[in-house]
Amino acid sequence: LAKTTQPISMDSYEGQEVNITCSHNNIATNDYITWYQQFPSQGPRFIIQGYKTKVTNEVASLFIPADRKSSTLSLPRVSLSDTAVYYCLVGGSRQAGTALIFGKGTTLSVSS
Amino acid sequence: GAVVSQHPSRVICKSGTSVKIECRSLDFQATTMFWYRQFPKQSLMLMATSNEGSKATYEQGVEKDKFLINHASLTLSTLTVTSAHPEDSSFYICSARDPGGGADTEAFFGQGTRLTVV
Repeated sequence: LAKTTQPISMDSYEGQEVNITCSHNNIATNDYITWYQQFPSQGPRFIIQGYKTKVTNEVASLFIPADRKSSTLSLPRVSLSDTAVYYCLVGGSRQAGTALIFGKGTTLSVSS
Repeated sequence: GAVVSQHPSRVICKSGTSVKIECRSLDFQATTMFWYRQFPKQSLMLMATSNEGSKATYEQGVEKDKFLINHASLTLSTLTVTSAHPEDSSFYICSARDPGGGADTEAFFGQGTRLTVV
Protein backbone atom coordinates (compact mmCIF):
# COMPACT_ATOMS: atom_id res chain seq x y z
CA LEU A 1 0.00 0.00 0.00
CA ALA A 2 1.24 3.46 -0.85
CA LYS A 3 2.35 5.52 2.13
CA THR A 4 0.59 8.84 2.61
CA THR A 5 1.76 12.06 4.26
CA GLN A 6 -0.64 14.72 5.48
CA PRO A 7 -0.28 17.75 7.73
CA ILE A 8 -0.93 16.81 11.34
CA SER A 9 -3.26 19.73 11.91
CA MET A 10 -4.87 22.74 10.26
CA ASP A 11 -6.82 25.69 11.57
CA SER A 12 -9.49 27.66 9.77
CA TYR A 13 -12.37 30.03 10.33
CA GLU A 14 -15.99 29.59 9.42
CA GLY A 15 -16.80 30.41 5.82
CA GLN A 16 -13.29 29.84 4.52
CA GLU A 17 -12.26 27.25 1.98
CA VAL A 18 -9.95 24.60 3.37
CA ASN A 19 -7.53 22.60 1.27
CA ILE A 20 -5.81 19.56 2.76
CA THR A 21 -3.03 18.09 0.68
CA CYS A 22 -1.90 14.50 0.86
CA SER A 23 1.37 13.23 -0.60
CA HIS A 24 1.54 9.71 -1.97
CA ASN A 25 4.71 9.50 -4.03
CA ASN A 26 4.60 5.73 -4.39
CA ILE A 27 1.05 5.48 -5.69
CA ALA A 28 0.56 2.52 -8.01
CA THR A 29 -1.19 2.56 -11.35
CA ASN A 30 -4.34 0.88 -10.06
CA ASP A 31 -4.54 2.80 -6.77
CA TYR A 32 -7.48 5.03 -5.95
CA ILE A 33 -7.42 7.94 -3.51
CA THR A 34 -10.10 8.06 -0.84
CA TRP A 35 -10.79 10.53 1.95
CA TYR A 36 -12.62 9.80 5.17
CA GLN A 37 -13.83 12.11 7.92
CA GLN A 38 -13.98 11.17 11.59
CA PHE A 39 -15.66 13.06 14.41
CA PRO A 40 -14.71 12.36 18.03
CA SER A 41 -16.11 9.07 19.34
CA GLN A 42 -17.56 8.11 15.97
CA GLY A 43 -16.52 5.80 13.17
CA PRO A 44 -15.02 7.30 10.01
CA ARG A 45 -17.32 8.43 7.25
CA PHE A 46 -16.58 8.33 3.51
CA ILE A 47 -16.18 11.76 1.92
CA ILE A 48 -14.90 11.34 -1.60
CA GLN A 49 -12.89 9.11 -3.87
CA GLY A 50 -11.03 9.66 -7.12
CA TYR A 51 -8.46 8.31 -9.54
CA LYS A 52 -7.36 11.33 -11.54
CA THR A 53 -8.20 14.97 -12.36
CA LYS A 54 -11.11 16.33 -10.36
CA VAL A 55 -14.02 14.81 -8.54
CA THR A 56 -16.77 16.81 -6.90
CA ASN A 57 -19.73 15.82 -4.77
CA GLU A 58 -22.11 17.66 -2.48
CA VAL A 59 -19.58 17.71 0.34
CA ALA A 60 -16.14 18.28 -1.16
CA SER A 61 -13.89 18.33 -4.19
CA LEU A 62 -10.84 16.22 -4.80
CA PHE A 63 -8.06 17.49 -7.02
CA ILE A 64 -5.52 15.04 -8.38
CA PRO A 65 -2.66 16.26 -10.60
CA ALA A 66 -1.53 14.35 -13.65
CA ASP A 67 1.34 12.58 -11.86
CA ARG A 68 -1.04 11.48 -9.08
CA LYS A 69 1.71 11.82 -6.48
CA SER A 70 -0.47 14.05 -4.39
CA SER A 71 -4.09 14.98 -3.95
CA THR A 72 -5.97 17.86 -2.37
CA LEU A 73 -9.23 17.64 -0.54
CA SER A 74 -11.11 20.91 -0.80
CA LEU A 75 -13.87 21.81 1.64
CA PRO A 76 -15.80 24.90 0.53
CA ARG A 77 -16.98 27.37 3.16
CA VAL A 78 -16.30 25.30 6.25
CA SER A 79 -18.45 25.53 9.34
CA LEU A 80 -17.81 24.63 12.96
CA SER A 81 -19.28 21.21 12.29
CA ASP A 82 -16.45 20.44 9.87
CA THR A 83 -14.05 20.21 12.80
CA ALA A 84 -12.84 16.62 12.53
CA VAL A 85 -9.95 14.39 11.55
CA TYR A 86 -9.53 13.82 7.82
CA TYR A 87 -7.80 10.73 6.51
CA CYS A 88 -6.29 10.25 3.07
CA LEU A 89 -6.06 6.61 1.97
CA VAL A 90 -4.47 5.19 -1.14
CA GLY A 91 -5.06 1.66 -2.32
CA GLY A 92 -5.78 -0.41 -5.34
CA SER A 93 -8.46 -2.72 -4.15
CA ARG A 94 -11.92 -1.50 -3.38
CA GLN A 95 -13.21 -4.99 -3.00
CA ALA A 96 -15.21 -6.07 -0.02
CA GLY A 97 -12.48 -8.31 1.37
CA THR A 98 -9.82 -5.62 1.59
CA ALA A 99 -9.28 -3.65 4.78
CA LEU A 100 -8.50 0.04 4.85
CA ILE A 101 -5.21 1.01 6.46
CA PHE A 102 -5.29 4.45 8.05
CA GLY A 103 -2.43 6.90 8.39
CA LYS A 104 -2.25 9.64 10.98
CA GLY A 105 -4.79 11.97 9.43
CA THR A 106 -5.19 15.74 9.59
CA THR A 107 -7.01 17.34 12.49
CA LEU A 108 -8.98 20.31 11.17
CA SER A 109 -10.13 22.87 13.71
CA VAL A 110 -12.69 25.43 12.57
CA SER A 111 -13.26 28.50 14.71
CA SER A 112 -15.89 31.20 14.63
CA GLY B 1 -26.90 3.84 1.76
CA ALA B 2 -25.50 0.79 3.45
CA VAL B 3 -25.24 0.95 7.21
CA VAL B 4 -23.10 -0.83 9.73
CA SER B 5 -24.41 -0.83 13.27
CA GLN B 6 -22.32 -1.46 16.35
CA HIS B 7 -23.48 -2.23 19.86
CA PRO B 8 -22.98 -1.19 22.60
CA SER B 9 -21.74 2.33 22.03
CA ARG B 10 -20.24 2.51 25.47
CA VAL B 11 -19.38 -0.09 28.09
CA ILE B 12 -17.64 -0.07 31.42
CA CYS B 13 -16.46 -3.35 32.85
CA LYS B 14 -14.40 -4.59 35.73
CA SER B 15 -10.90 -5.84 35.24
CA GLY B 16 -10.86 -9.58 34.55
CA THR B 17 -14.30 -9.77 32.98
CA SER B 18 -15.16 -10.26 29.32
CA VAL B 19 -17.01 -7.88 27.05
CA LYS B 20 -18.74 -8.65 23.76
CA ILE B 21 -19.17 -6.08 21.01
CA GLU B 22 -21.54 -6.69 18.12
CA CYS B 23 -21.24 -5.43 14.57
CA ARG B 24 -24.12 -5.80 12.13
CA SER B 25 -24.50 -4.95 8.48
CA LEU B 26 -28.07 -3.76 8.26
CA ASP B 27 -28.92 -3.90 4.58
CA PHE B 28 -26.23 -5.97 2.96
CA GLN B 29 -24.47 -9.25 3.55
CA ALA B 30 -20.87 -8.94 4.59
CA THR B 31 -18.72 -12.03 4.21
CA THR B 32 -15.85 -9.97 5.58
CA MET B 33 -15.82 -7.44 8.39
CA PHE B 34 -12.92 -5.59 9.94
CA TRP B 35 -12.16 -4.65 13.53
CA TYR B 36 -10.12 -1.60 14.45
CA ARG B 37 -8.89 -0.15 17.72
CA GLN B 38 -8.25 3.52 18.29
CA PHE B 39 -6.47 5.05 21.26
CA PRO B 40 -6.94 8.74 22.16
CA LYS B 41 -5.51 11.13 19.58
CA GLN B 42 -4.27 8.26 17.46
CA SER B 43 -5.35 6.79 14.17
CA LEU B 44 -7.36 3.62 13.62
CA MET B 45 -5.31 0.47 13.90
CA LEU B 46 -6.52 -2.67 12.13
CA MET B 47 -6.81 -5.53 14.60
CA ALA B 48 -8.31 -8.33 12.59
CA THR B 49 -10.32 -9.39 9.59
CA SER B 50 -13.45 -11.34 10.37
CA ASN B 51 -14.48 -13.95 7.83
CA GLU B 52 -17.92 -15.54 7.80
CA GLY B 53 -17.67 -19.27 8.31
CA SER B 54 -13.95 -19.35 8.93
CA LYS B 55 -11.32 -18.18 11.37
CA ALA B 56 -10.47 -14.53 11.69
CA THR B 57 -7.16 -13.21 10.48
CA TYR B 58 -5.30 -11.21 13.12
CA GLU B 59 -2.75 -8.48 12.56
CA GLN B 60 0.71 -8.88 13.98
CA GLY B 61 0.80 -8.17 17.68
CA VAL B 62 -2.90 -8.75 18.29
CA GLU B 63 -3.58 -11.66 20.63
CA LYS B 64 -6.19 -13.92 19.10
CA ASP B 65 -6.97 -15.60 22.42
CA LYS B 66 -7.67 -12.26 24.02
CA PHE B 67 -9.72 -10.75 21.22
CA LEU B 68 -12.11 -13.47 20.15
CA ILE B 69 -13.88 -12.87 16.87
CA ASN B 70 -16.92 -14.80 15.72
CA HIS B 71 -18.54 -14.16 12.36
CA ALA B 72 -21.63 -16.27 12.87
CA SER B 73 -23.69 -15.02 9.97
CA LEU B 74 -23.44 -12.85 6.90
CA THR B 75 -24.69 -9.85 8.86
CA LEU B 76 -23.09 -10.26 12.28
CA SER B 77 -19.56 -10.27 13.62
CA THR B 78 -18.72 -10.14 17.31
CA LEU B 79 -15.54 -9.14 19.10
CA THR B 80 -15.11 -10.42 22.64
CA VAL B 81 -12.44 -8.86 24.79
CA THR B 82 -11.60 -11.59 27.27
CA SER B 83 -10.15 -11.02 30.73
CA ALA B 84 -10.14 -7.31 30.11
CA HIS B 85 -7.51 -5.10 31.70
CA PRO B 86 -7.29 -1.33 31.96
CA GLU B 87 -4.85 -1.23 29.03
CA ASP B 88 -7.61 -2.68 26.84
CA SER B 89 -9.60 0.49 27.35
CA SER B 90 -9.98 1.95 23.90
CA PHE B 91 -12.40 2.83 21.11
CA TYR B 92 -13.26 -0.23 19.04
CA ILE B 93 -14.69 0.21 15.54
CA CYS B 94 -15.97 -2.31 13.02
CA SER B 95 -16.21 -1.88 9.28
CA ALA B 96 -17.58 -3.64 6.24
CA ARG B 97 -18.01 -3.12 2.56
CA ASP B 98 -21.02 -4.13 0.52
CA PRO B 99 -19.80 -6.82 -1.90
CA GLY B 100 -22.73 -5.99 -4.12
CA GLY B 101 -21.90 -2.33 -4.15
CA GLY B 102 -19.94 -2.39 -7.36
CA ALA B 103 -16.41 -1.31 -8.14
CA ASP B 104 -16.75 1.98 -6.30
CA THR B 105 -17.89 0.45 -3.04
CA GLU B 106 -16.91 2.47 -0.02
CA ALA B 107 -16.23 1.12 3.44
CA PHE B 108 -18.90 1.66 6.08
CA PHE B 109 -18.01 1.98 9.71
CA GLY B 110 -19.94 1.33 12.87
CA GLN B 111 -20.48 4.02 15.44
CA GLY B 112 -17.71 2.62 17.58
CA THR B 113 -17.66 1.19 21.11
CA ARG B 114 -15.95 3.03 23.93
CA LEU B 115 -14.62 0.38 26.30
CA THR B 116 -13.47 1.42 29.75
CA VAL B 117 -11.98 -1.22 32.00
CA VAL B 118 -11.84 -0.28 35.68
